[in-house]
Amino acid sequence: GAVVSQHPSRVICKSGTSVKIECRSLDFQATTMFWYRQFPKQSLMLMATSNEGSKATYEQGVEKDKFLINHASLTLSTLTVTSAHPEDSSFYICSASQMPSYNEQFFGPGTRLTVL
Amino acid sequence: GEDVEQSLFLSVREGDSSVINCTYTDSSSTYLYWYKQEPGAGLQLLTYIFSNMDMKQDQRLTVLLNKKDKHLSLRIADTQTGDSAIYFCAESRNDYKLSFGAGTTVTVRA
Repeated sequence: GAVVSQHPSRVICKSGTSVKIECRSLDFQATTMFWYRQFPKQSLMLMATSNEGSKATYEQGVEKDKFLINHASLTLSTLTVTSAHPEDSSFYICSASQMPSYNEQFFGPGTRLTVL
Repeated sequence: GEDVEQSLFLSVREGDSSVINCTYTDSSSTYLYWYKQEPGAGLQLLTYIFSNMDMKQDQRLTVLLNKKDKHLSLRIADTQTGDSAIYFCAESRNDYKLSFGAGTTVTVRA
């Protein structure tokens, strides 16, 4: 149980286009989902926290207009990278937690974004 | 994670024990975690320990927590080639957000 999927696993896009990444909890209801960014050989940096039905909370330094997060249902959150540029190229990972075990986050397999 | 620090690399011979160390700064941490990441993949939760515990053992994994020194370690007994990966230490506080260390790359040599 507690499986989280991400789609797509890899995406290559041209500079200036927008890219949507989906995060789904397959066998549980995720009241909270987290979006992380990981640079090569570095740690995960939390970008934002999203709760179902409410606006996402962004970490300091993360542009909310650049990284649009929607958590419309208890099983799906989406991250849209708008007007992507090469510096947005990264590995994006989502995680999901379910009530009442907020202490455990289940991670998706990640999405590799390359912006040309 | 500037709040969580780990050594970056560890090389160990197959069959030996691996010990990965981590230090954290936030004394209000409630849970401390060890995650494993294989190349190109997401994170797999290996184990976690509540902050009021000193030790937790789960098959080949032993977690030791020294709350006074804010030091966490993960010992992997009988290390196998499949244990080669990056291991992340993480802490969470009352807001449930995770703060990660930079990760320790473990290489298991034959």
